[in-house]
Amino acid sequence: EAQVTQNPRYLITVTGKKLTVTCSQNMNHEYMSWYRQDPGLGLRQIYYSMNVEVTDKGDVPEGYKVSRKEKRNFPLILESPSPNQTSLYFCASSLSDSRTEQYFGPGTRLTVT
Amino acid sequence: SQELEQSPQSLIVQEGKNLTINCTSSKTLYGLYWYKQKYGEGLIFLMMLQKGGEEKSHEKITAKLDEKKQQSSLHITASQPSHAGIYLCGAGGYSNTGKLIFGQGTTLQVKP
Repeated sequence: EAQVTQNPRYLITVTGKKLTVTCSQNMNHEYMSWYRQDPGLGLRQIYYSMNVEVTDKGDVPEGYKVSRKEKRNFPLILESPSPNQTSLYFCASSLSDSRTEQYFGPGTRLTVT
Repeated sequence: SQELEQSPQSLIVQEGKNLTINCTSSKTLYGLYWYKQKYGEGLIFLMMLQKGGEEKSHEKITAKLDEKKQQSSLHITASQPSHAGIYLCGAGGYSNTGKLIFGQGTTLQVKP
């Protein structure tokens, strides 16, 4: 089944403890991206990747890192999480870029205390 | 200010009524998406529009992109409680082929 998977789905952590949220797709998609969703602010793009080893900042990249070493995986890294990074995170992939149909993962709810 | 403006922000309708949600941009839209979301859950893809004047339908939901490709509308006919949720419009290729932005969302309640 074609899908985008994210792990973990729920995470509660403490300020400053490094964490990684994984994202994987099985559709051989070139483009992958990360978003956070906050009440009143909608979905905002954090980072995107047009291909392996090619990543670029979205609208809210501060405090996040990403890597794209393999086509199928696009992990989101929070080196030193802070409470303002408490949010619902979504990963997405598509065939070529942001103008082709986006397939979203189920979301990861992160709470930083 | 938001680059993609959705209106209204929230909507309460009686079951069986028709409704329209709008998504407006100041720039040309190259890939306009409509998604539905139950609060705190994942996004359900509804439709994607790319050409000016394009119109697509799925069950009782119709979406259209205007000729100038700067406004899209989502119309629900004979609304049902199952239509309740948050409707999001998104636009790809907004400033470059990697960027994707979303409107703030429209929360729809359907009263039985």
